[in-house]
Amino acid sequence: QVHLVQSGPEVKKPGASVKVSCKASGYSFTGHYLHWVRQAPGQGLEWMGYINIDSGGTHSSQKFQARVTMTRDTSITTAYLELTRLRSDDTAIYYCARDREITMTLDYWGQGTLVTVSS
Amino acid sequence: EVVMTQSPATLSVSPGERATLSCRASQSINSNLAWYQQKPGQAPRLLVYGASTRATGIPARFSGSGSGTEFTLTISSLQSEDCAVYYCQQYNDWRPLAFGGGTKVEIK
Repeated sequence: QVHLVQSGPEVKKPGASVKVSCKASGYSFTGHYLHWVRQAPGQGLEWMGYINIDSGGTHSSQKFQARVTMTRDTSITTAYLELTRLRSDDTAIYYCARDREITMTLDYWGQGTLVTVSS
Repeated sequence: EVVMTQSPATLSVSPGERATLSCRASQSINSNLAWYQQKPGQAPRLLVYGASTRATGIPARFSGSGSGTEFTLTISSLQSEDCAVYYCQQYNDWRPLAFGGGTKVEIK
């Protein structure tokens, strides 16, 4: 059974960085891309980017390119999203989601990690 | 960049009635469209991909249709557990992937 389990909530000050983890189980970790999607309070879904777990290659939305780093550790089947220079409008739930067979559709999602940016 | 627009923003439907949700792309995305359901406090769930193929375990009352720029998600007989926000997502041009703004479905 596929599971994506994310790290716990974070509270950060403006200008700081945050690193969210996503632990995968129940499938071949290197066989699927992993995406990151965020959702501000009461708002819709916003795609941030994805990582090719096999090669480590990444592609992120231009909006986040300068501030986001996506990595993975295949030995512990865990992916990471790091977002730097946090602002108050980065307050959101951050989800990791598995790509369904490299199709850019997202078939399994983590439970989400709330990141709050506040002074 | 492809922009996705969903309508209506909120849809009130009586139990057992049909719910019809619309999604429009700013340019042709062929059939590269997915639908997701998100219930309060939960992560989204994949319902449909390829515009009309139900994902694993999705009830038959959910159906998707359309191609090009106009798409529809139909819930043939609304159940109380279908109350949620529904998002469409295009993946024809994944730079960037884009979601619509969502349609909230509620029981009348």
